[in-house]
Amino acid sequence: DAGVIQSPRHEVTEMGQEVTLRCKPISGHNSLFWYRQTMMRGLELLIYFNNNVPIDDSGMPEDRFSAKMPNASFSTLKIQPSEPRDSAVYFCASSFGRGDTGELFFGEGSRLTVL
Amino acid sequence: GQQLNQSPQSMFIQEGEDVSMNCTSSSIFNTWLWYKQDPGEGPVLLIALYKAGELTSNGRLTAQFGITRKDSFLNISASIPSDVGIYFCAGQLGGNEKLTFGTGTRLTIIP
Repeated sequence: DAGVIQSPRHEVTEMGQEVTLRCKPISGHNSLFWYRQTMMRGLELLIYFNNNVPIDDSGMPEDRFSAKMPNASFSTLKIQPSEPRDSAVYFCASSFGRGDTGELFFGEGSRLTVL
Repeated sequence: GQQLNQSPQSMFIQEGEDVSMNCTSSSIFNTWLWYKQDPGEGPVLLIALYKAGELTSNGRLTAQFGITRKDSFLNISASIPSDVGIYFCAGQLGGNEKLTFGTGTRLTIIP
């Protein structure tokens, strides 16, 4: 069975450019989570969706970040304009239900470097 | 906000040794979980604990949900090379609450 699929795996861009990260959750899962991982701050939840509806976006750092989930099989995380401090590994995860068992299935991550 | 502190931050052990790590919180959780992250991969769930005092095993892994609900422990017996990685604890207050992840314990096996 396919797991959570993220793209791109790696992206290097220059400050000020727009970055779009993509995620395909596991089929049948109805909750989707975007996390950011850095050495300094560890794993931080940015936003999560349930049934394609954003439930909690309190972790989105600022207006430069936006996330959408137009349907059950696709989500995007966009950063515009990007800044060097946005450099991190961004993970998408999905779960069945509202994630109330705590079992999240993570993708392999998108490593973003902003120069 | 809630914080989860893991210790030790890193461990260097020899193959075959047992490993112990723990996670403490400033507030209670009703669910404790342990995830492992291999290099270049996303975290994978190892063990989930849903009841205070619960002791659960998964092969060579054993985890316990502290009776105070503010801590959890993970033990790995007879470590093998594939145990290398970063181990994260995570806590969840309620069914609809988001997970709070710990700071991680990096395990390295010395040849």
